[in-house]
This record gives sequence, C-alpha cells and structure tokens, in this order.
Amino acid sequence: QKEVEQNSGPLSVPEGAIASLNCTYSDRGSQSFFWYRQYSGKSPELIMSIYSNGDKEDGRFTAQLNKASQYVSLLIRDSQPSDSATYLCAVNSLEPTGRRALTFGSGTRLQVQP
Amino acid sequence: DGGITQSPKYLFRKEGQNVTLSCEQNLNHDAMYWYRQDPGQGLRLIYYSQIVNDFQKGDIAEGYSVSREKKESFPLTVTSAQKNPTAFYLCASSISGSFYEQYFGPGTRLTVT
Repeated sequence: QKEVEQNSGPLSVPEGAIASLNCTYSDRGSQSFFWYRQYSGKSPELIMSIYSNGDKEDGRFTAQLNKASQYVSLLIRDSQPSDSATYLCAVNSLEPTGRRALTFGSGTRLQVQP
Repeated sequence: DGGITQSPKYLFRKEGQNVTLSCEQNLNHDAMYWYRQDPGQGLRLIYYSQIVNDFQKGDIAEGYSVSREKKESFPLTVTSAQKNPTAFYLCASSISGSFYEQYFGPGTRLTVT
C-alpha cells in the first residue's frame, strides 16, 4: 500500500528561524517528489520539486531527498509569518493498477511566530 | 495568462441532485486530475486523464463521473450515488503523467444538504 507520512504539527518556529518539515514514503520505486504550500481555504501551490538524491535550493527553500532512507524534507530559512500554512508532501507512487499517481501526505501545519 | 480555472468557487446543492464542476486549463497540458480534500486531510485522487477521450479511476471514483472530450477541459460530475459529497474539489494538470509537476486550480467548495 502506497503511503506518504507527515507529522501533522503544528510546527511552531520563531520568525527568522529555520523550519524543517519531514516526509517519509513507502514506495521504493518513487521517482519524483514535490512540496506544496496550502494556505487555509486555498488550493495547493507548488513550491519545490526534486527528482534525485541530495539537496535542491530555491531562494529560502531547500528540498532534501534520500531515496535509500525513503524520506524527503523541506527546509525554510529565515521563516516569515507569511510562511504559516500547511505543507503537503507528494510522491509519485505505484498504484495496484500498475500505473503511477501522485500520493499526498496529510500535511504539516507550520506556524511562524512574529 | 496561463492557468487553470474552476467554476464555480462555491456550490450548494440538495441531496439527490447531480452536479457538474468545471475545470479548464490553457497550459497545453496533456494530463488532468480531480482530487477531493476533506478538512484536515490530504488530497485523494478521484479520476485522472492522460489524453483526450481516455480517463482512469483513482482511489475514490465511486459516485463520480468525468469526461475528456477536449484537451483543455475535464469536467467532474458528482452524482447522487456519492454518499458524502460535501468537500473541497481540486482540479490539477501536468505536462504528462504523475512524474511531472502538477498545478492546481483554485478549487470548488461543494456543500450538499
């Protein structure tokens, strides 16, 4: 059974700190990994994608992928109150039908305290 | 301005009525998806389509139907057979297949009473 697990939080960090969000997945064959930010009442917004082991940086965001350990993480540097949202991890997983589909975790709620 | 549009933003229906949610994209993406989100939960895949005139059931297809007659459009019908239709419905598209980045529309919040 495909699974993507995230700590639901809330994760509370002070403004200016580094927020670290983690995600584990069960399908060893997964090939693509995504982080979405979702503000309350809004639709998810893609903020990072990562396809190979290691780090990928984009502005204040860094995605880290370790396929051997089956985890992917998102670091947010210099956290701002505007970063307060729910962060969804999504993993390209194999379905019982043999097709691949995106499986979403239930999200981690981040609160950045001014 | 490229993007995905969904309409309406809010929809209210009486139990027993079918309702159709609209999704249009002008990103020239081949693949389109419908997800459902319930409060405090992640997204669950209802249906997806990787090409015109072809679509596949996702994890929770019962009580829903779709069509893909045009590349740009992927409407979702919530039928009276869906036991708990009240939810936030999200349409997404990608270049081709789930390997690639998916982009979401603004969503339709459906309330059935």
